[in-house]
Amino acid sequence: GNSVTQMEGPVTLSEEAFLTINCTYTATGYPSLFWYVQYPGEGLQLLLKATKADDKGSNKGFEATYRKETTSFHLEKGSVQVSDSAVYFCALRRSGAGSYQLTFGKGTKLSVIP
Amino acid sequence: NAGVTQTPKFQVLKTGQSMTLQCAQDMNHEYMSWYRQDPGMGLRLIHYSVGAGITDQGEVPNGYNVSRSTTEDFPLRLLSAAPSQTSVYFCASTQGSEGEQYFGPGTRLTVT
Repeated sequence: GNSVTQMEGPVTLSEEAFLTINCTYTATGYPSLFWYVQYPGEGLQLLLKATKADDKGSNKGFEATYRKETTSFHLEKGSVQVSDSAVYFCALRRSGAGSYQLTFGKGTKLSVIP
Repeated sequence: NAGVTQTPKFQVLKTGQSMTLQCAQDMNHEYMSWYRQDPGMGLRLIHYSVGAGITDQGEVPNGYNVSRSTTEDFPLRLLSAAPSQTSVYFCASTQGSEGEQYFGPGTRLTVT
């Protein structure tokens, strides 16, 4: 079946540090890949997505590239801010008609200190 | 435009009690789903619906019932609450298989 594995947290960084959160997946076919962010006390929000191999999703300074050869979708940001402190979830949606369901990783908590 | 709304925000139940978690969306989305979020487990799918009158089980359906009588509403029922159902519950909706999934703010449930 489908699965998503992301790096264990928590991750603590200083402001302006470089961020990488690793995500790898197992799926048949060509899934769509997502990063969601959950700020304290809130629901999940879509951060970025990629729907085919070699696509790069980007938003708010974050980016991730869909690498089919390594089945990975690592999240990166060049300079994190305190406001980026949140839990980040990698997710996939299998390909094919009627494919609504998301499979999530366990989440990685990021804390950015001034 | 309210998006996806959930009530209540917090709830405490005793073991054996029943209750309904409400979820509504005003975006005319056909697909709605319920997830539970537990520490270190990510989000796990409980039940989902692809349209009014159509529901199906997700990864962890035991102890929960759903129905979808209208496009807008997708309530989740706990028939006899157990401490293992202590969790944060999220409702989500999406339009079409390529659409973005929108999440509600969550309901934090504690079963004692």
